[in-house]
Amino acid sequence: DIQMTQSPSSLSASVGDRVTLTCRASQGINNYLAWYQQKPGKGPELLIYAASTLQSGVPSRFSGSGSGTDFTLTISSLQPEDVATYYCQKYNSAPFTFGPGTKVDIK
Amino acid sequence: QVQLVESGGGVVQPGGSLRLSCAASGFTFSSYGMHWVRQAPGKGLEWVATVRYVGGVDYYAQSVKGRFTISRDNDNNELYLQMNSLRADDTAVYFCARGQFFDYWGRGTLVTVTS
Repeated sequence: DIQMTQSPSSLSASVGDRVTLTCRASQGINNYLAWYQQKPGKGPELLIYAASTLQSGVPSRFSGSGSGTDFTLTISSLQPEDVATYYCQKYNSAPFTFGPGTKVDIK
Repeated sequence: QVQLVESGGGVVQPGGSLRLSCAASGFTFSSYGMHWVRQAPGKGLEWVATVRYVGGVDYYAQSVKGRFTISRDNDNNELYLQMNSLRADDTAVYFCARGQFFDYWGRGTLVTVTS
């Protein structure tokens, strides 16, 4: 099975900073990669699918890139409401594995 | 608007069974694959099972294969997860989610397996 890893496991940044999260697949998955945001006590929300397509309603400060095995999620200007854990997930075929997550908070 | 509402969680002893439900509304349920995803306390997300929108094709995580069964009732817009032979490590919040991109999620239902 394909394994998903994420780095860093956590980060702390200032409001307005550019933040980059990384996700890596152990084998190529083309662009079958999604990113989710989960705030404490809530269900996850889809941010990006097909590696770089922004889900409707998601702020444009979020962007995704990558293909194959290496992917990034970028927040161009970190806002207080972005404090959350971010997960990547492969969805090309079962098992639809999630990465372990990156926890983002405000410095 | 799209809504997914899970129910059926609770406290069960090891070896016991539980059936979770997910009531769907606001979209054509029969046109979407559906999923169960769980999250153990303080841990990350774990995909559990998927049922395709047509043909009843299903997939399972290795950790639940042979113990859990996913099913759906397209007439009543309901998704189910039958969980048998429950273990302590099945303790988690169970979410249902919609479609290829898991684009909508419910708020989850808590399952606690304890003696």
